[in-house]
Amino acid sequence: QKEVEQDPGPLSVPEGAIVSLNCTYSNSAFQYFMWYRQYSRKGPELLMYTYSSGNKEDGRFTAQVDKSSKYISLFIRDSQPSDSATYLCAMRGNFNKFYFGSGTKLNVKP
Amino acid sequence: EAQVTQNPRYLITVTGKKLTVTCSQNMNHEYMSWYRQDPGLGLRQIYYSMNVEVTDKGDVPEGYKVSRKEKRNFPLILESPSPNQTSLYFCASIHTGGRNTEAFFGQGTRLTVV
Repeated sequence: QKEVEQDPGPLSVPEGAIVSLNCTYSNSAFQYFMWYRQYSRKGPELLMYTYSSGNKEDGRFTAQVDKSSKYISLFIRDSQPSDSATYLCAMRGNFNKFYFGSGTKLNVKP
Repeated sequence: EAQVTQNPRYLITVTGKKLTVTCSQNMNHEYMSWYRQDPGLGLRQIYYSMNVEVTDKGDVPEGYKVSRKEKRNFPLILESPSPNQTSLYFCASIHTGGRNTEAFFGQGTRLTVV
């Protein structure tokens, strides 16, 4: 079983839609949860970061962590064509090792 | 500006010809890591370094070497590249202070081995 599972998509939505991206994980010791955004031909960039359980909001983006279910989500409100990218979830484990999901490719159509 | 610089961005080489991909960071981070990204497999860790002269294998180290002689540089070496090492490679410099954590990635190196 992979440490982190993520639906690869692709996910295609119309502009203005609410997008929900999700990951599940198997290691209950994970405490640091991140979402990275990767545009085509670029390296991933940190979008949201959450420590332990709970919600975090930043503009149109909301990250949720449910440690009891080992499930994390990223919601994008009022999605824009500029949000079209691949979104990777990530967790930090022991010895600062990062575990990445395989990424979900999102396409927001104008 | 915080930066991770990888070179080259694109490389086509032949089987068996040694190559080095360079990586440099300007954030004074102790922890650096190399990943390869393949469709459907996501980012897989090749090697990492927790500090100067301290390196260790990640999940897919076969066919790769690294060195960390200075804090800012972490080159990836392919002694005898093979076609199954055709991939997109990313170097990352990782901030691990307290409850804050972030991996800063380079722009990537697209390697093709023929």
